Amino acid sequence: DADVTQTPRNRITKTGKRIMLECSQTKGHDRMYWYRQDPGLGLRLIYYSFDVKDINKGEISDGYSVSRQAQAKFSLSLESAIPNQTALYFCATSDGGTGAYEQYFGPGTRLTVT
Amino acid sequence: GENVEQHPSTLSVQEGDSAVIKCTYSDSASNYFPWYKQELGKRPQLIIDIRSNVGEKKDQRIAVTLNKTAKHFSLHITETQPEDSAVYFCAATDSWGKFQFGAGTQVVVTP
Repeated sequence: DADVTQTPRNRITKTGKRIMLECSQTKGHDRMYWYRQDPGLGLRLIYYSFDVKDINKGEISDGYSVSRQAQAKFSLSLESAIPNQTALYFCATSDGGTGAYEQYFGPGTRLTVT
Repeated sequence: GENVEQHPSTLSVQEGDSAVIKCTYSDSASNYFPWYKQELGKRPQLIIDIRSNVGEKKDQRIAVTLNKTAKHFSLHITETQPEDSAVYFCAATDSWGKFQFGAGTQVVVTP
């Protein structure tokens, strides 16, 4: 779905480096999410934002931070990367309002920390 | 918080047979239950969803059933085809739309 984009698509970095993953969407959705995917563990929520002024921790936020620069942009930062942060990272968006709605995923960023 | 368990972790089926994946959830307030399909190297995509006021929903060869009392829901794929091979994730949400995903089921359809 070209409406949710992520950059970079692949990144190799060294332990201790700071790295930023970016997500942009043209769907006009208020809600944005960052997930991490590891084999056998499914998709785990790192951070989520229900509007520009709202930032919430997910189940695995330690070692990560986020910034919601605009309705359409939500960035994930690893302050000091470590090898066990090697994973596939997905950004997702959904409509706002009350209740739950389908989440649309970006293409993913494969991050390797050496 | 919500906890979602998904079984089995892998499922091998003969082409044309049916596949069933089961999920249980812990939060009785959960009200939306989507199923996502993730093909190799691709992003997860919604294939079917069900809300807590409905017991069953069908879309061609796929169906989802929900038992709120027992807090479990299932995905049924009939007449499986090779293109059904993928990883399938269930999820349950709270009323604010935050998802808790299951660990995934690798489905392999053999010709």
